[in-house]
Amino acid sequence: EDQVTQSPEALRLQEGESSSLNCSYTVSGLRGLFWYRQDPGKGPEFLFTLYSAGEEKEKERLKATLTKKESFLHITAPKPEDSATYLCAVQAPHSGYALNFGKGTSLLVTP
Amino acid sequence: DADVTQTPRNRITKTGKRIMLECSQTKGHDRMYWYRQDPGLGLRLIYYSFDVKDINKGEISDGYSVSRQAQAKFSLSLESAIPNQTALYFCATSEDEGGLNEQFFGPGTRLTVL
Repeated sequence: EDQVTQSPEALRLQEGESSSLNCSYTVSGLRGLFWYRQDPGKGPEFLFTLYSAGEEKEKERLKATLTKKESFLHITAPKPEDSATYLCAVQAPHSGYALNFGKGTSLLVTP
Repeated sequence: DADVTQTPRNRITKTGKRIMLECSQTKGHDRMYWYRQDPGLGLRLIYYSFDVKDINKGEISDGYSVSRQAQAKFSLSLESAIPNQTALYFCATSEDEGGLNEQFFGPGTRLTVL
């Protein structure tokens, strides 16, 4: 059974304090690993897709990396507007291309 | 205009009532999905559709049904609502290119069953 575990559940950072969010997964035949950002009361917003171990992608202060067992979302010098819940999801061929989500990491960045 | 819209945005209903949540998209995508989100449980897949004639059950389909009326419309029904179906419901779409494309989510429907 596919499993996606995100840690920590919640993270509080000072503005400018860099850190990383973790997404550990077990899935047979990973097709892709996705990162989303979700603001309160809104739908998830797509950030990145990673397809193979060693792949990295960047967007502004965010950088996502992928190994065979986990993915990291690195946040460099975060700002208060980066506060949100970050969701990780995996996609496998046996799931009909649907996404299997982790429970998310709630990030709060204080001024 | 939003690419993926959901109606209603909020709904309060009573146990036993039939409820329909609607999703429309202007992205031209073939694939559409329904998820529910509960605090502490994350997003879970209810149903998904690859095209108008192809509908599949997801992880938690019991108590729900769907209808794909057109490429752009995908409705979720609760035949007889119960309190543990209180949740945030999201519709999503994706392109049909080997299934390796990101899903785009609607704004959600907050459903409360009393």
